[in-house]
Parts: sequence; C-alpha cells; structure tokens
Amino acid sequence: AQSVTQPDIHITVSEGASLELRCNYSYGATPYLFWYVQSPGQGLQLLLKYFSGDTLVQGIKGFEAEFKRSQSSFNLRKPSVHWSDAAEYFCAVGAGTGGFKTIFGAGTRLFVKA
Amino acid sequence: GAGVSQSPSNKVTEKGKDVELRCDPISGHTALYWYRQSLGQGLEFLIYFQGNSAPDKSGLPSDRFSAERTGGSVSTLTIQRTQQEDSAVYLCASSLEVTQYFGPGTRLTVL
Repeated sequence: AQSVTQPDIHITVSEGASLELRCNYSYGATPYLFWYVQSPGQGLQLLLKYFSGDTLVQGIKGFEAEFKRSQSSFNLRKPSVHWSDAAEYFCAVGAGTGGFKTIFGAGTRLFVKA
Repeated sequence: GAGVSQSPSNKVTEKGKDVELRCDPISGHTALYWYRQSLGQGLEFLIYFQGNSAPDKSGLPSDRFSAERTGGSVSTLTIQRTQQEDSAVYLCASSLEVTQYFGPGTRLTVL
C-alpha cells in the first residue's frame, strides 16, 4: 500500500539558514510526488511536483526537491529561509491518471526564528 | 473562476443539525476530491469524484456523511446529525490529471 512518512513533526530554523524537510514514500512503481505548503488559515498550495525525468525539481518560492529512488525519498530544500516560509509542509504521493486518491504525509510545521 | 472556491468559509452549527458544504472546482477539471483536516492533523481523504460518479467513497467516516456532484462541476458534502467530532476544516480539490488544486476550505464548528 502507498504511504508517506514525514519524520519531523516540526522544525525550527533561523532566517537565512538552509532548510531540508524529509519525506519518505512507499510505492511499488515510479510515483508521482508532490510538496504542498499550507499557511495558517489557508488551503494547500502546490510547491513542486515530480513525475519523471530530471530528479532535481525546481518549484516556486525558491524551493527544490530531489527524488532518490534508492532511498524512496523526496526531500524538500531551500538554501535560505525567509520568515514568510513559516507554514505547514505536506509531502504527497499519487499514482495513475485522471482522478485518484493522493496520499498525504502528516505534515511538518516549519518555524522560522529571527 | 480561476481557482477552486468553497462556501461557506466558516460554519457554526449546533450538534444534531445537518450542514451542507459546497465546492466549485476549476472549470474543466474532471476530478474532485474532499478531505478533512482536524486541528493539527494531516489530510484525511473522504471521497473523490470522476465526473459525477464517486469511484472511491472509502474515506467517508460514517453514513452521516454523503456527497454528490452534478453536471461534472459543483459538489456538495452533506453531514447529517452533526457531532462535535465533525468539527474540522473541510478541503476540496480538483484536478484534470494528476495534480490537485485546493480550495481555501470550510471551517466547521459543531457546538
């Protein structure tokens, strides 16, 4: 069965520091992988996605993620965090085409300190 | 519209009352999804529609929950005889293929 694990419930980084949020998935085939961000009181916004091809994916707001098949991971990174990046981040995995049930991780809440 | 919209944005109701939550997907998106997000929790899948049919209802927590979609567009999630544990944010998403786009959610509070 598909599953997504985000091992860190919350992370605190200093503004300007680098960030890496971890995500591990379980899926038998090549997955579709997503990172979403949810600011307080808001819906989820797509940061980036991986379907195939280059394993390093660039997203919005300066985020990137790297798909590593051997580690079943899709970690999210940003070289320099801004205070406005404080939010909840969700990793997700999906399969198939058209409508399907995307499985979300439990989320990692990012706190940014000045 | 440009994005997924949901109404109402907030709903406060008394225990035992019925509520209806509405989702307007992005125009042309064939798939529509409902999720529930309880305080501090991740997303709990409820149901998804492909067109007007719901191939996967496995996430509906009880028979008090139902959903319909008409005309391949608007969807309504109905919760009958609401309970306090139904209090949560209900998120709707739509997609044309794989990527889902989310609405802002409806915050439901059951007193």
